[in-house]
Amino acid sequence: EAGVAQSPRYKIIEKRQSVAFWCNPISGHATLYWYQQILGQGPKLLIQFQNNGVVDDSQLPKDRFSAERLKGVDSTLKIQPAKLEDSAVYLCASSLSPIQDRNSPLHFGNGTRLTVT
Amino acid sequence: DAKTTQPNSMESNEEEPVHLPCNHSTISGTDYIHWYRQLPSQGPEYVIHGLTSNVNNRMASLAIAEDRKSSTLILHRATLRDAAVYYCIFGESTFGDGTTLTVKP
Repeated sequence: EAGVAQSPRYKIIEKRQSVAFWCNPISGHATLYWYQQILGQGPKLLIQFQNNGVVDDSQLPKDRFSAERLKGVDSTLKIQPAKLEDSAVYLCASSLSPIQDRNSPLHFGNGTRLTVT
Repeated sequence: DAKTTQPNSMESNEEEPVHLPCNHSTISGTDYIHWYRQLPSQGPEYVIHGLTSNVNNRMASLAIAEDRKSSTLILHRATLRDAAVYYCIFGESTFGDGTTLTVKP
């Protein structure tokens, strides 16, 4: 089984520029998550989708961050404009079961390391 | 907010057992306890999960307290490859800062 794919692996941008990250979850996984992980901290949930609908985006800074999951498969996370404090690793995860079934483990990609200068 | 409490760091000698504790006093009756570990420059990797009964798999064992307010991840014989940050979570996928496990040869 292919894992969760993310690209790019690394990205360096200047503050106030825009950036986008892409995630391809495991085939058949209904639920997709985006996390932000700042160095030395645990992952922080930004947004979760079930199929192509947003279930929870309460932690997403909506003035600059946006995410979509067209057709309930791939997803993109965008930051516009970026700030210095957005420097972090952005992780995508997927799980087989819907949100309501918490028995299903999360499968993570290796993330995109963003550096904002 | 679903929060867990774990020690910041632990050390173990190679080939010895390791017991990693986690407190989750606000867990609800239907929340599963999940454990993940994260190696440098990688995403978190699923280790094990359970609801009420103790669980075993090829990677580890999970011991869950009777009141479900705490659990312990057990690595039966630590190897150098087990050195990682270990996270326990429940509920709405909120990660704490985890436990950094150091394994000494």
